[in-house]
Amino acid sequence: RKEVEQDPGPFNVPEGATVAFNCTYSNSASQSFFWYRQDCRKEPKLLMSVYSSGNEDGRFTAQLNRASQYISLLIRDSKLSDSATYLCVVPSGGSYIPTFGRGTSLIVHP
Amino acid sequence: DVKVTQSSRYLVKRTGEKVFLECVQDMDHENMFWYRQDPGLGLRLIYFSYDVKMKEKGDIPEGYSVSREKKERFSLILESASTNQTSMYLCASSLTTGGGGAFFGQGTRLTVV
Repeated sequence: RKEVEQDPGPFNVPEGATVAFNCTYSNSASQSFFWYRQDCRKEPKLLMSVYSSGNEDGRFTAQLNRASQYISLLIRDSKLSDSATYLCVVPSGGSYIPTFGRGTSLIVHP
Repeated sequence: DVKVTQSSRYLVKRTGEKVFLECVQDMDHENMFWYRQDPGLGLRLIYFSYDVKMKEKGDIPEGYSVSREKKERFSLILESASTNQTSMYLCASSLTTGGGGAFFGQGTRLTVV
């Protein structure tokens, strides 16, 4: 089983839609989780952390389900500018070594 | 503002050349990482360093080496470049505690001909 798995998509949604991505992980000892956004030909940028209690930032909500070992990202009221690849990150190793999923592609169309 | 800077955006090198990719961070982070990113394969960890002069192999270290003589600088070295090392190379840094995530440089697109 891969350490971090994501559905590559693409998720093709209209503006205003709500879309959700999941990311499963295999390391049950992982403590911190993150979502990154990567635009075409750019570097990944930290979008938000994922806390045990969940985390909301405007239209974005991240949740953690430890029992089933997955994290999720919900985007409400999608904008054209949300089109990007979304990468989940789960640390591995004794210290913080970011292990990335392969990313989920989101395309928001008019 | 957090900054990770890679020395080049684009590089073209010949097969067999020795290639140096430089990365500098200004956040006093302990951890630094080198990844390569290829279509369909995602980001793969080449090497990382958790302190000056310390280095650890990642998932795909073959054909690469690294150097960390100063805390802020982490260099990736391709000892003898090959065409299968054509890729996007991304440097990142983070705090040891793991909070706050990792921050990336803008990437170096290396083409080996």
